[in-house]
Amino acid sequence: DAMVIQNPRYQVTQFGKPVTLSCSQTLNHNVMYWYQQKSSQAPKLLFHYYDKDFNNEADTPDNFQSRRPNTSFCFLDIRSPGLGDAAMYLCATSRDHVSNEQFFGPGTRLTVL
Amino acid sequence: AQSVTQLGSHVSVSEGALVLLRCNYSSSVPPYLFWYVQYPNQGLQLLLKYTTGATLVKGINGFEAEFKKSETSFHLTKPSAHMSDAAEYFCAVSGRTGTASKLTFGTGTRLQVTL
Repeated sequence: DAMVIQNPRYQVTQFGKPVTLSCSQTLNHNVMYWYQQKSSQAPKLLFHYYDKDFNNEADTPDNFQSRRPNTSFCFLDIRSPGLGDAAMYLCATSRDHVSNEQFFGPGTRLTVL
Repeated sequence: AQSVTQLGSHVSVSEGALVLLRCNYSSSVPPYLFWYVQYPNQGLQLLLKYTTGATLVKGINGFEAEFKKSETSFHLTKPSAHMSDAAEYFCAVSGRTGTASKLTFGTGTRLQVTL
């Protein structure tokens, strides 16, 4: 089945230690999104890629970076995680800028010690 | 600019009772509207969506929603709740941002189903 896969599902890191979260998709979608979701809150868009075109949300901290080496994979890098970065990180895809439906992965829960 | 308001952060119903989760939106352009469900430690799963056409939209697991432009509402309903419906529900409206569509989510409604 075509799907969005996130690895790992659970990630524990130490304060200030860089961490990378991974997302892959078999849907061959052009657009990939990263969301941050804190407990009991709505998902908050961090950035998205349309193909290789990177789009950062205005309020996304510089501590968050992303890479998309090819259509299938996208990575979220947190350069120096703080306690406030503990959250669920959701990856999503959509076919293109016309299609409004987004398909979500299962998420990676990040714990910062 | 777009926004979504979900009335009621927690809703509790008895098994077999009607489920009604409220969503009101604000949009400067004709909206595309979505309901997503999220189970604990899972991603978001699309329940249903309204783009154009018929205003009553049927989704998975027996849920449906009606787009009412005059009321700027898109409430989610299910005639008979099941224990497996207990989850977090998010209403969302989409709009364009840069080169892609962007979802603006409501704050979510946690549905509890009791025996």
